[in-house]
Amino acid sequence: GAVVSQHPSRVICKSGTSVKIECRSLDFQATTMFWYRQFPKKSLMLMATSNEGSKATYEQGVEKDKFLINHASLTLSTLTVTSAHPEDSSFYICSASRVVGSNEQFFGPGTRLTVL
Amino acid sequence: SQKIEQNSEALNIQEGKTATLTCNYTNYSPAYLQWYRQDPGRGPVFLLLIRENEKEKRKERLKVTFDTTLKQSLFHITASQPADSATYLCALANSGGYQKVTFGTGTKLQVIP
Repeated sequence: GAVVSQHPSRVICKSGTSVKIECRSLDFQATTMFWYRQFPKKSLMLMATSNEGSKATYEQGVEKDKFLINHASLTLSTLTVTSAHPEDSSFYICSASRVVGSNEQFFGPGTRLTVL
Repeated sequence: SQKIEQNSEALNIQEGKTATLTCNYTNYSPAYLQWYRQDPGRGPVFLLLIRENEKEKRKERLKVTFDTTLKQSLFHITASQPADSATYLCALANSGGYQKVTFGTGTKLQVIP
């Protein structure tokens, strides 16, 4: 149990376009979902935390108008990278927590975004 | 400034030996510390969590220690196998922090047959 999926696994887009990444908890309801990005050989960096039905909380330095997060249901969160640029190319990973206040996060497989 | 440092970028070890990975932190008061495994192109997989009031935790061939005085956690894999080859990440959450964890940069472990 506690499986998290992401779609797509890889995406290549042109500069200036928007890309949507989906994160789904397949067999549990996720009270909280997290979005991270990871550069090669670097650590995961938390971008934002979202709770179902409320606005996401963004980390310092993350532009909320650039990275739109929607947590529409207890099993789905989406991250939209708007007007993508080459510097947005990265590995985006979501995670989900089952229980409010739980320490354990279940990670998705990640999405590799390449902006040309 | 806050830092989480993992001892080395890469660690090579002979099959059957014990691998020891180190995680040091500064300017944190962690409520707990976690270890994850990450394979190339994949998301992290949770392995173990140890709380600030715990000294040691074990799970099968894995052992984690937590020394809040030294501000260090050690992660051991005994009887290492080639299948253990991966990047291992430590992550910690500050006291009072709600579920927000901060990750170290990871140590890439290579177990040589």
